[in-house]
Amino acid sequence: KAGVTQTPRYLIKTRGQQVTLSCSPISGHRSVSWYQQTPGQGLQFLFEYFSETQRNKGNFPGRFSGRQFSNSRSEMNVSTLELGDSALYLCASSFAGTGTGELFFGEGSRLTVL
Amino acid sequence: DAKTTQPNSMESNEEEPVHLPCNHSTISGTDYIHWYRQLPSQGPEYVIHGLTSNVNNRMASLAIAEDRKSSTLILHRATLRDAAVYYCIPYNQGGKLIFGQGTELSVKP
Repeated sequence: KAGVTQTPRYLIKTRGQQVTLSCSPISGHRSVSWYQQTPGQGLQFLFEYFSETQRNKGNFPGRFSGRQFSNSRSEMNVSTLELGDSALYLCASSFAGTGTGELFFGEGSRLTVL
Repeated sequence: DAKTTQPNSMESNEEEPVHLPCNHSTISGTDYIHWYRQLPSQGPEYVIHGLTSNVNNRMASLAIAEDRKSSTLILHRATLRDAAVYYCIPYNQGGKLIFGQGTELSVKP
């Protein structure tokens, strides 16, 4: 079956702009979670959506937001970009939700903020 | 959230077993222990998880201490493809997977 698909794979933005990243989970999976990975901070949990509802949130400012659609596809948005937002953004899907079993990760969207 | 301690790096020879340790002394009684690995330029990949008893799957074995304060991921015969960063993650009942710094495993031919 098809894996988790993230788009775009690479993008470059400038400070102050906003960005929207997309994640298509594995068919049948209802949970999508998002992570930010940087060399300094490692992998950090952003938020999780389950059946269109945000179920968990990490310690990130309000500039980071997300949503999930009825087909389980998810988007995350970062507004007013800062240089420190440059990172690999990963999404993961699972059938029941994080912590209850196997997560399947996409290859990530690499964001560079200039 | 439970804290984990893993060696920053480990080395192994190809075809030999590898034991990757993890301390999670603050784990709660109902937290599962998950292991993921991340190969270069890829997203993390699930390896195994368990609660109390040892677990085996096609990729690895997980040995969990009786007091659950530590666990060991065992790769029975390391291959070059096993070179990755391995993360030990106590399952947070709130549903967040909190990744630590992990152990970078290198495998020598």
